[in-house]
Amino acid sequence: DAKTTQPNSMESNEEEPVHLPCNHSTISGTDYIHWYRQLPSQGPEYVIHGLTSNVNNRMASLAIAEDRKSSTLILHRATLRDAAVYYCIDMNRDDKIIFGKGTRLHILP
Amino acid sequence: NAGVTQTPKFQVLKTGQSMTLQCAQDMNHNSMYWYRQDPGMGLRLIYYSASEGTTDKGEVPNGYNVSRLNKREFSLRLESAAPSQTSVYFCAAQGGNQPQHFGDGTRLSIL
Repeated sequence: DAKTTQPNSMESNEEEPVHLPCNHSTISGTDYIHWYRQLPSQGPEYVIHGLTSNVNNRMASLAIAEDRKSSTLILHRATLRDAAVYYCIDMNRDDKIIFGKGTRLHILP
Repeated sequence: NAGVTQTPKFQVLKTGQSMTLQCAQDMNHNSMYWYRQDPGMGLRLIYYSASEGTTDKGEVPNGYNVSRLNKREFSLRLESAAPSQTSVYFCAAQGGNQPQHFGDGTRLSIL
């Protein structure tokens, strides 16, 4: 079973920030936190990852709680093209990668 | 740089037929994965390979076999296709703690 839990779906208005939460209740010290998204009719694509510190890239920001039991993917200004299913994963180089059901993000124009 | 290439992109089979889905990566990654995704559902891990010559079962391995003969290629075989195996199949490659890279998928229909 997937090791992370996420809300099934969320809604946001276009051009507003979106905060997507993820719980990592069983994360270990060597697990990285990865986020992927899957646009309609496409394969998953990488969004961002981190270990302990908050991370920023051109797509999003990742905020990681101090105890690493939760993380938040932040889309600063959502567009209609950001409508997708977002997955968070605890990734360990020595273990297989199992996806959960993810959060389906709806963007309202 | 192609990344992860899956062939074929589409396939229709009759129940009982066999076929092999091919996956190749040019990123020199050690780990490779096969997932299936049914309509409206998430990805489910079928098999994965941590390195050349090794394979392990995932969440839903029944009805499938895999082969990792070299670092670059990881194939998925259906020996006797069943309608329940109608799905979109994704291959992925990954190295160390770096992100997974996915292929474009193979859309498989079994009649």
